[in-house]
Amino acid sequence: AQSVTQPDIHITVSEGASLELRCNYSYGATPYLFWYVQSPGQGLQLLLKYFSGDTLVQGIKGFEAEFKRSQSSFNLRKPSVHWSDAAEYFCAVKRNNNDMRFGAGTRLTVKP
Amino acid sequence: NAGVMQNPRHLVRRRGQEARLRCSPMKGHSHVYWYRQLPEEGLKFMVYLQKENIIDESGMPKERFSAEFPKEGPSILRIQQVVRGDSAAYFCASSPLSGGSTDTQYFGPGTRLTVL
Repeated sequence: AQSVTQPDIHITVSEGASLELRCNYSYGATPYLFWYVQSPGQGLQLLLKYFSGDTLVQGIKGFEAEFKRSQSSFNLRKPSVHWSDAAEYFCAVKRNNNDMRFGAGTRLTVKP
Repeated sequence: NAGVMQNPRHLVRRRGQEARLRCSPMKGHSHVYWYRQLPEEGLKFMVYLQKENIIDESGMPKERFSAEFPKEGPSILRIQQVVRGDSAAYFCASSPLSGGSTDTQYFGPGTRLTVL
């Protein structure tokens, strides 16, 4: 069955430090991959997506993600975290138009 | 171009009452999806609709829940005889006319339902 795993429930980093949020998926073929961010009390905002082509994807707010087929991973990275990046981050996998699965999310806390 | 709109943003109901959640997709989008988010969990797919058609309701509870997307007006998620376990955030997303696999879903701000 198609699934998405975000191994880290909660991550704390210092402002200015680098960030990597992990996402692994299980699916027979290359799925479509997404990262969304959710601020408290808000909806989900799309950060970036991967469909095909270059495996390093650039997104908004300085985020990037790399698709690694051999590891079934799509980790999200940012070189220098800002306090405003504190939020919940969701990785999602989509096979067809209506079959989109979300990970349980990783909550990011940013220390001053 | 306004984003996906949902109302109300917060809804409080007593057990046994009905809850109606509304979603207006982005302009030009004719595909609507509903998701439920329980506390400390990710989003779970409920139903996928196109105008006047339910395409996939495999994630919808068999009883008390229904959804529609009429030709005119917003999509409605209806929960009859609510119970405390229905308390959650309900998110609507929309995607463009083509409905292809590469279409991105754009999310609304959600409706937070509290059942007393």
